[in-house]
Amino acid sequence: QQPVQSPQAVILREGEDAVINCSSSKALYSVHWYRQKHGEAPVFLMILLKGGEQKGHEKISASFNEKKQQSSLYLTASQLSYSGTYFCGTLSNSGYALNFGKGTSLLVTP
Amino acid sequence: EAQVTQNPRYLITVTGKKLTVTCSQNMNHEYMSWYRQDPGLGLRQIYYSMNVEVTDKGDVPEGYKVSRKEKRNFPLILESPSPNQTSLYFCASSFWTGANTGELFFGEGSRLTVL
Repeated sequence: QQPVQSPQAVILREGEDAVINCSSSKALYSVHWYRQKHGEAPVFLMILLKGGEQKGHEKISASFNEKKQQSSLYLTASQLSYSGTYFCGTLSNSGYALNFGKGTSLLVTP
Repeated sequence: EAQVTQNPRYLITVTGKKLTVTCSQNMNHEYMSWYRQDPGLGLRQIYYSMNVEVTDKGDVPEGYKVSRKEKRNFPLILESPSPNQTSLYFCASSFWTGANTGELFFGEGSRLTVL
């Protein structure tokens, strides 16, 4: 079952911040975040394990609230290179399928 | 170089003509998976495998078969392709810790058109 991502699309100016949310109806073991540029394969950003940890990757960070079965990706001081489609992937406590959401399209303009 | 290799990258075929999309990884990964990507639907999992001879259905397995006879290879078989299987297909692999996957490495994708 696909997790639900919001918003579907975001347009930012360079330097602005954005938050992308991911929620699941299942209890989760981990959440993955990936970014896909047009015409390319998805590229790994980070994994968060249950335990409420927060991770960072330069100006991109994420949190995972296992009780709410939700994760959020934070992009601060966005750069043109952040443009792309962001996918969250979830691994439930009860299975081995890594399911991805429908994606959030992010466009950063000058 | 660590990589996931898919072939063919592009294919146009006709309804009912069996085809196989190959996937090979050189990272000794246990976990391998196939996804299809369609506009507005994101990445949907077709099949996955936790190790040799261990496979399971994802969300959209109808019309597809897989096998995992060797650790490095995970081919996707379309026995009788139909136009609704026209899509962009990604193979991916990662380590499997027993409870969680690691970072997924994706192949470059195979764009399949079924006429």
